[in-house]
Amino acid sequence: TQLLEQSPQFLSIQEGENLTVYCNSSSVFSSLQWYRQEPGEGPVLLVTVVTGGEVKKLKRLTFQFGDARKDSSLHITAAQPGDTGLYLCAGDSDSWGKLQFGAGTQVVVTP
Amino acid sequence: GAVVSQHPSRVICKSGTSVKIECRSLDFQATTMFWYRQFPKQSLMLMATSNEGSKATYEQGVEKDKFLINHASLTLSTLTVTSAHPEDSSFYICSAIGDRGTYEQYFGPGTRLTVT
Repeated sequence: TQLLEQSPQFLSIQEGENLTVYCNSSSVFSSLQWYRQEPGEGPVLLVTVVTGGEVKKLKRLTFQFGDARKDSSLHITAAQPGDTGLYLCAGDSDSWGKLQFGAGTQVVVTP
Repeated sequence: GAVVSQHPSRVICKSGTSVKIECRSLDFQATTMFWYRQFPKQSLMLMATSNEGSKATYEQGVEKDKFLINHASLTLSTLTVTSAHPEDSSFYICSAIGDRGTYEQYFGPGTRLTVT
């Protein structure tokens, strides 16, 4: 079983601050996905990264896939209260869609 | 596109009864669906992989006779929790792989099961 370690587990910041969430593994993934989940709802796909070294931007969110495709990061610039949620990274190791999830990072952005 | 629905969203049942949860892909065909359970403040735990027209593949430690999965069509998979007990109370979430060739998973809104 390949482990995806996500850090930090919990992050509380003020509106306007920046934050970074990390997702690390000793295994190589064919792709890695980031999701955001709000209480009582299913996860919503934010982005999929596939190529080593790839950087994708989604408004104030920047996603990076490590060169070796073993790690990834999510950076949020000028966080807003609407960014509050559980952020999950998930790696696809066998290219057949079965995902290995990280433990999640609970982000709280206060006004 | 890529919308997945679940029904019911919440269900309360008595101990010993069975509960069926439906997962539907609304605007695409899904040959593969996944079932997860999630405990409060924790990540998703994969229970099984559901393939249309074949038997589900269960993860280690998941009782296949307790959690019955049927993937009868390309848009519907069901999870039946048989003889439910309070420890089965959890948030059950399904996902489906889209038909765009990228293996991205799209998740349903989840079903909150409470067994009394």
